[in-house]
Amino acid sequence: DTGVSQDPRHKITKRGQNVTFRCDPISEHNRLYWYRQTLGQGPEFLTYFQNEAQLEKSRLLSDRFSAERPKGSFSTLEIQRTEQGDSAMYLCASSQDPGQGIYGYTFGSGTRLTVV
Amino acid sequence: GENVEQHPSTLSVQEGDSAVIKCTYSDSASNYFPWYKQELGKGPQLIIDIRSNVGEKKDQRIAVTLNKTAKHFSLHITETQPEDSAVYFCAASRRRNPSFGAGTTVTVRA
Repeated sequence: DTGVSQDPRHKITKRGQNVTFRCDPISEHNRLYWYRQTLGQGPEFLTYFQNEAQLEKSRLLSDRFSAERPKGSFSTLEIQRTEQGDSAMYLCASSQDPGQGIYGYTFGSGTRLTVV
Repeated sequence: GENVEQHPSTLSVQEGDSAVIKCTYSDSASNYFPWYKQELGKGPQLIIDIRSNVGEKKDQRIAVTLNKTAKHFSLHITETQPEDSAVYFCAASRRRNPSFGAGTTVTVRA
């Protein structure tokens, strides 16, 4: 296992189109997170999964955003009717929760979305 | 929610000198404080972390200190090298998703 993989690395789309990103976490990690990062800012939490259950969603995750992790392994993040303000780096991270508290994330390299 | 502030936003140091980045947090219940390094075109990489039951942790040239009373923590990089040039993020959390600072761009001058 080589870490967290994200696909695609870059995506350019026209305003109003739908886009979908994929994240493959480290195989033994049961938690998976999505973050958004804009230029000059730290990552902002969007949502996270414990196995296949989506346990928390940020207020940043508008109705146009949906995330799934159907079998508790890979996850997808879909943005419908994209807007220019959606342009950002979308980061996926995974971690193992042994029930003793949070441990450090492993981030993927991200998907950079540009909406034109 | 947790609010994390990070200073400075940019830091330029001469190779061999030390670099210090400081962060404050708002939630006194936060108990886990990781630091990440992000290079251009890559995701953040965990470089060191500290838990609230520890005041200081060191790993080679990197050290982190935590003052729970004052709710601030710091990253110290000694003997800086050109490869230390990157954006560094602090974060704070308590059994949930960390809140990140806005980042510090560190430039090490040769």
